[in-house]
Amino acid sequence: EVQLVQSGAEVKKPGESLKMSCKGSGYNLFNYWLGWVRQAPEKGLEWVAIISPADSNSRVSPSFQGRVTISADQSINTAYLQWSSLQVSDSAIYYCVRRPAVTASPIDYWGHGTLVTVSS
Amino acid sequence: QSALTQPRSVSGSPGQSVTISCTGTNSDVGRYNYVSWYQQHPGKAPKLIIRDVSQWPSGVPDRFSGSKSGSTASLTISGLQAEDEADYYCCSYAGTYMPYVFGTGTRVTVL
Repeated sequence: EVQLVQSGAEVKKPGESLKMSCKGSGYNLFNYWLGWVRQAPEKGLEWVAIISPADSNSRVSPSFQGRVTISADQSINTAYLQWSSLQVSDSAIYYCVRRPAVTASPIDYWGHGTLVTVSS
Repeated sequence: QSALTQPRSVSGSPGQSVTISCTGTNSDVGRYNYVSWYQQHPGKAPKLIIRDVSQWPSGVPDRFSGSKSGSTASLTISGLQAEDEADYYCCSYAGTYMPYVFGTGTRVTVL
């Protein structure tokens, strides 16, 4: 059974940093990338970043470049998303996602989400 | 890269058909045949229901169908059922460094 296990909910103040994780299991890690899509309250979906745990090849949305770092640990098939300085507007549910390691493949599996609240 | 444009809401009675449009540009929907659609019920994670414009992932009923013309993709739900009431998002590939551009989302209401 495919599972994407995400780290727990976070409450942060503006300017603080944050590192969240997503551990994949139930599939061959060499065949899939892991990443994040976020959804602000009552808003739409927004792609953040994606990485191959097999070789750490990654992509970050231009909207977040310079603010986020995505990394991975192949030995435990886990991806990490780190924010350097959170803003109130970063409050959202962050879904861990999986996509096949084939160019232009769609996201085929979603985790349950990590709620991040940024408030002073 | 701007979000793809979808109608805010559509509605239909049980058994009817509804169609949701997804308008992009020549850099995304118009350039690639890699449009996918996701269904999201309240409080739940999205679920892939259409990939590569018109292909069904395993287990998705063929009541859902996708198409594309130029820079506009469409999702049609035939034989509308109560459980189809949800939010629907389109998503397009826009190149190696922008693999996912999502639509603004459409709420489908079953009357």
